[in-house]
Amino acid sequence: AQTVTQSQPEMSVQEAETVTLSCTYDTSESDYYLFWYKQPPSRQMILVIRQEAYKQQNATENRFSVNFQKAAKSFSLKISDSQLGDAAMYFCAYRSRTGGSARQLTFGSGTQLTVLP
Amino acid sequence: DTGVSQNPRHKITKRGQNVTFRCDPISEHNRLYWYRQTLGQGPEFLTYFQNEAQLEKSRLLSDRFSAERPKGSFSTLEIQRTEQGDSAMYLCASSLAWDSGNTIYFGEGSWLTVV
Repeated sequence: AQTVTQSQPEMSVQEAETVTLSCTYDTSESDYYLFWYKQPPSRQMILVIRQEAYKQQNATENRFSVNFQKAAKSFSLKISDSQLGDAAMYFCAYRSRTGGSARQLTFGSGTQLTVLP
Repeated sequence: DTGVSQNPRHKITKRGQNVTFRCDPISEHNRLYWYRQTLGQGPEFLTYFQNEAQLEKSRLLSDRFSAERPKGSFSTLEIQRTEQGDSAMYLCASSLAWDSGNTIYFGEGSWLTVV
């Protein structure tokens, strides 16, 4: 079974600064997807960014980028030019590409990000 | 496209009562998922449908829980004889089936409090 670990329960960043959220995972599979989801106080889970394991290039979406280290099973999220609206709980998630568990996401326990004005 | 819709958004019930939550997925999505999230934790997978077929159930889904998707559109999650440990946010999500990499879209959740 796959596991996802987020070792930082809380992080804070000054507005306009850069912050990095950490995530590690454990799997015996070679083909999978990794995701970062954001959950603001409204509770709706919103996809921030995704990474295919077979791609060496790190995914980027505007101010959000990842550092994907497949051998180390590490998948960190970097938020540049932090904005007040970035404040939320951030979840790292894993999804197998094939097989029965390909249907579901496995989430970490989350990192609560506070953005200071 | 109005997104994944869940109702009720909040439900307070007495222990031992039955509750039912409804989920309306994004219209063209044939995969539908239910997750449970407790405070301070990430969502945990409960069950999954492809069209009307329930293809996978987590061991978290005890006999008191039942989910249906009768016509392959909306889904219901019923909890019978609720217990205080059932207090959680119940999240519904949907996606297209053809690629496991397809984005899974979540609803706003249904918050259950058992008193």
